[in-house]
Amino acid sequence: QSALTQPASVSGSPGQSITISCTGTSSDVGGYNYVSWYQQHPGKAPKLMIYDVTNRPSGVSNRFSGSKSGNTASLTISGLQAEDEADYYCSSYRSSSTLRVFGGGTKLTVL
Amino acid sequence: EVQLVESGGGLVQPGGSLRLSCAASGFTFSSYAMSWVRQAPGKGLEWVSGISGSGGSTYYADSVKGRFTISRDNSKNTLFLQMNSLRAEDTAVYYCAKDPFSTPMSSFDSWGQGTLVTVSS
Repeated sequence: QSALTQPASVSGSPGQSITISCTGTSSDVGGYNYVSWYQQHPGKAPKLMIYDVTNRPSGVSNRFSGSKSGNTASLTISGLQAEDEADYYCSSYRSSSTLRVFGGGTKLTVL
Repeated sequence: EVQLVESGGGLVQPGGSLRLSCAASGFTFSSYAMSWVRQAPGKGLEWVSGISGSGGSTYYADSVKGRFTISRDNSKNTLFLQMNSLRAEDTAVYYCAKDPFSTPMSSFDSWGQGTLVTVSS
């Protein structure tokens, strides 16, 4: 069973907004509101940025927001800052023995 | 403050075994599902296995089913991953991660620092 589909890379200038997509199927992204997003800087553990499609954990900047339409979820980062440069991964619950699945990851470059 | 500290990684030959541990603190361990997530060098994240808060339900990725066993000792606040019949493709940093609920469904709200497993002759 393949991972969720994310673009390999996105880029934007400081102050701009970018959106990262995460496409799955009706058995995962489209079927449940259990999509989450993670930020990972090089050599560091992932950090939860968005959970249950749209919710931000305490301490995460409100520049990060999540949404979903059909089988595709999206992470939007507004007012890009240099420290946002990192890898971003989506994840979803999946109704199969696999249970949880990740996207392939998107490298965000802040120009 | 939630803390997750993995240990047990190292170099092992193909076909060998290794047992990873994750010591948890800062929360009521038995109330939350836990998972192992791995990341091969230069690659993305891959969910490996999950276990409910009580330990009564376990789940595995197809890639490790039949070779890996997840378990937990709620009296010692510790999560385990027994890895048998290891292959080169199991080489990765292994993270333990906490779920926000007692069943593994929603997200991974806390992560350990990871432990490196290298399978090579």
